[in-house]
Order: sequence, then structure tokens, then C-alpha cells
Amino acid sequence: GAGVSQSPSNKVTEKGKDVELRCDPISGHTALYWYRQSLGQGLEFLIYFQGNSAPDKSGLPSDRFSAERTGGSVSTLTIQRTQQEDSAVYLCASSRGTEYEQYFGPGTRLTVT
Amino acid sequence: AQSVTQPDIHITVSEGASLELRCNYSYGATPYLFWYVQSPGQGLQLLLKYFSGDTLVQGIKGFEAEFKRSQSSFNLRKPSVHWSDAAEYFCAVDFTGGGNKLTFGTGTQLKVEL
Repeated sequence: GAGVSQSPSNKVTEKGKDVELRCDPISGHTALYWYRQSLGQGLEFLIYFQGNSAPDKSGLPSDRFSAERTGGSVSTLTIQRTQQEDSAVYLCASSRGTEYEQYFGPGTRLTVT
Repeated sequence: AQSVTQPDIHITVSEGASLELRCNYSYGATPYLFWYVQSPGQGLQLLLKYFSGDTLVQGIKGFEAEFKRSQSSFNLRKPSVHWSDAAEYFCAVDFTGGGNKLTFGTGTQLKVEL
């Protein structure tokens, strides 16, 4: 079946602009996660959605980062006033919720110039 | 702070040789443990996982890992490496027990010499 998809695959933006990254989880998966992969910090957890519960935002690095999940499916990660240190690959994953296996998408490579 | 350590940044092995990638974590109780592989331009793929039970777990592509509580380790092994195994390998740990937040190691880049 279809896996986790993310768009765009690559995004180049100027410092100070806002960006939106999209994630389409596997159909039927109730849990959705965002991670960031950068050279300096490795793979870091950002935020986690599970069903209708309040998201766990404990990994968001600053208030410039936010995410929402509409209809329990698609999620958008928004970065406002981008900075060069935001350059990274942003990975989305989903899982069935009660199971622990997370399936990852191919990621969005964000470059802030 | 909870952490995951992969002490080897790069490893080079000859095709057909055995492989062991090391992973240690800091925690008192038994967390949930995972190994992922990332090939160039690809997403992370789960190789295997350990939650409880038999401490030797089998995964895909001929990989296995052994959980050793006394050493807080979860090392990944393969008896005979293939050239297609060249990739980056990540050990990940869920310290929360809820399957919702993975803490990753820094990864080990595997190179396979023909």
C-alpha cells in the first residue's frame, strides 16, 4: 500500500520567510510524528499527534515552529521567519497508535538562504 | 538526560564479512529499542525492534540484534554483509514506553568494500 508521503521534496527559501511542509500519513494510522534531521543535531523529535488528543509539542525548538493535523490525517508543519539554522531534512512518520512501529516518509529538505 | 550512543561514526567491512554495530543507551528501566536503516535519498526503514521477551530479535534483510540489560546495549549484527547493505544505520530508543517519541543515536555510516 501507499507509504507516508511528504511535499515538497525540496524547498529553498530566503531567511525571514514562512514555509509550510506537508505530510500525508498512511491511511488508518492515528499517530503522526515530525522529526528533524540536521548535520549538527542528528535526528530530533519535534512533535507528536495521537488521535484527538492534544499534541505533544515538547520537541519544537522555538515558537516559530508550529504544526497542525486536520481531520486526523494530513499534517502541516509551519516555520515562521525562517533562519539559516532551520536548514535540515524534516521527516514525518506515522503509526497505528497502539503499535510502536513508525513508518517514515522520504522527508522534505529545507534550505534557508 | 536520556541519550543513545552509537560510538562508531564510520565502519568499513568487506563484502561477506560479519558486521556488528554498537548501540548503548542511558536509562534504568527497559525501554523500547529499534534499529533503522537509511539509504541515500531514502527514508528511514525499520530493521527490527525489541519490546520484551526473547532478547535476541530477528529483523529484515538478515539482521539481528541482541538486548543486553546489564550493558544497556542493543547491538545490531549480520553474519555476512552484502554490498547493498551500505547505508547509514540508526539506533533509536523510546524512553517513554508509549511508542511516541524516539531518541536517535547519531548514526553509523557503513561502507562495504567489494
